Amino acid sequence: AQSVTQLGSHVSVSEGALVLLRCNYSSSVPPYLFWYVQYPNQGLQLLLKYTTGATLVKGINGFEAEFKKSETSFHLTKPSAHMSDAAEYFCAVSAHFGNEKLTFGTGTRLTIIP
Amino acid sequence: ETGVTQSPTHLIKTRGQQVTLRCSSQSGHNTVSWYQQALGQGPQFIFQYYREEENGRGNFPPRFSGLQFPNYSSELNVNALELDDSALYLCASSLKQGLQETQYFGPGTRLLVL
Repeated sequence: AQSVTQLGSHVSVSEGALVLLRCNYSSSVPPYLFWYVQYPNQGLQLLLKYTTGATLVKGINGFEAEFKKSETSFHLTKPSAHMSDAAEYFCAVSAHFGNEKLTFGTGTRLTIIP
Repeated sequence: ETGVTQSPTHLIKTRGQQVTLRCSSQSGHNTVSWYQQALGQGPQFIFQYYREEENGRGNFPPRFSGLQFPNYSSELNVNALELDDSALYLCASSLKQGLQETQYFGPGTRLLVL
């Protein structure tokens, strides 16, 4: 069984400040981990994913995330927030094998303060 | 743009009716997954189809059913609609070739049940 916990349903940061969105996962098998972004009235867009190998993963729009097995975490960061980053962010986990069922967290709404 | 399209974009039905939602996957993608996203929640896995056969199902009743066609299109059917079925329905396509493949999401169909 797998689950994802996203700490903080709402996060506000000032434009230019560090963005940190927290994600902890639970998985009985080695996980694949994902971050998706959802803009208002749109579907999900993949930001980045971790499968195997390097634990620091770089994604689109300047985002990156680090897989920390000992902490069961996959936090999303961006050094400098931009107004266009305002959106809903979802962390998701899936198993290494079987169907690629994604288990999502409940999401974090990111607000950027001008 | 993910190359995945869904129709219709919005739909209003009344309780007890039946609805069919459609998805057109990326060309060549042999796997389609459907998710339900209730307001303010993360997407929940409904089921997945691989090469036109169901390949895993989430915690949804049998009145949720699906079809996948050889032309990379698929359908989600919901019978006996209930008020709680009101949600955004997302389809995601991927190419299953052994290891985990990235799922590409469509923009979703927003269903309102009155």
